[in-house]
Amino acid sequence: GDSVTQMEGPVTLSEEACLTINCTYTATGYPSLFWYVQYPGEGLQLLLKATKADDKGSNKGFEATYRKETTSFHLEKGSVQVSDSAVYFCALKGDAGNMLTFGGGTRLMVKP
Amino acid sequence: KAGVTQTPRYLIKTRGQQVTLSCSPISGHRSVSWYQQTPGQGLQFLFEYFSETQRNKGNFPGRFSGRQFSNSRSEMNVSTLELGDSALYLCASSFESGGSYEQYFGPGTRLTVT
Repeated sequence: GDSVTQMEGPVTLSEEACLTINCTYTATGYPSLFWYVQYPGEGLQLLLKATKADDKGSNKGFEATYRKETTSFHLEKGSVQVSDSAVYFCALKGDAGNMLTFGGGTRLMVKP
Repeated sequence: KAGVTQTPRYLIKTRGQQVTLSCSPISGHRSVSWYQQTPGQGLQFLFEYFSETQRNKGNFPGRFSGRQFSNSRSEMNVSTLELGDSALYLCASSFESGGSYEQYFGPGTRLTVT
């Protein structure tokens, strides 16, 4: 079945540092890929998405490129802020309906 | 446009009881999915409803059930609660058009089983 693997956290960075959170996936067919963010006590917010190979999703300074050859969708940001502290989830939607398969989540802590 | 709403936000139940959680999707969205989030198992898909029909189901026991009404609002029910059912239950809605399947999540219902 489909699966998503994320780097384990927590990831602790200083403000303005560069961020990379690794995400790799296993899926049949041509999945769509997503990054969601969860702030404490809240639900998930869609951060960005990519629906086909070589697509780049971007939002709020975050970027991720759909790499089919390496089955990866790594999340990057050039300069993190304290307000970026949250848990980040990589997810895929395969061919079977509207079901999302999530990675385990990566907690990001940004210190001033 | 209002987001996905879930009620109640917090719930405490006793083992053996049953519980019903409610989800109102974003206006115009016809697909509603439910997920369970726990520290040990992470985010797991429960089921999806589209136009009042269950379209997909995850690997959960039959104690977990759901339904969708004609206005797209959805409920999920858990019978004979177990301690392990303590979790954050998230509902998500989506508007399927032109290949876009983005899911928008509600704030969740935090269920504690004692």
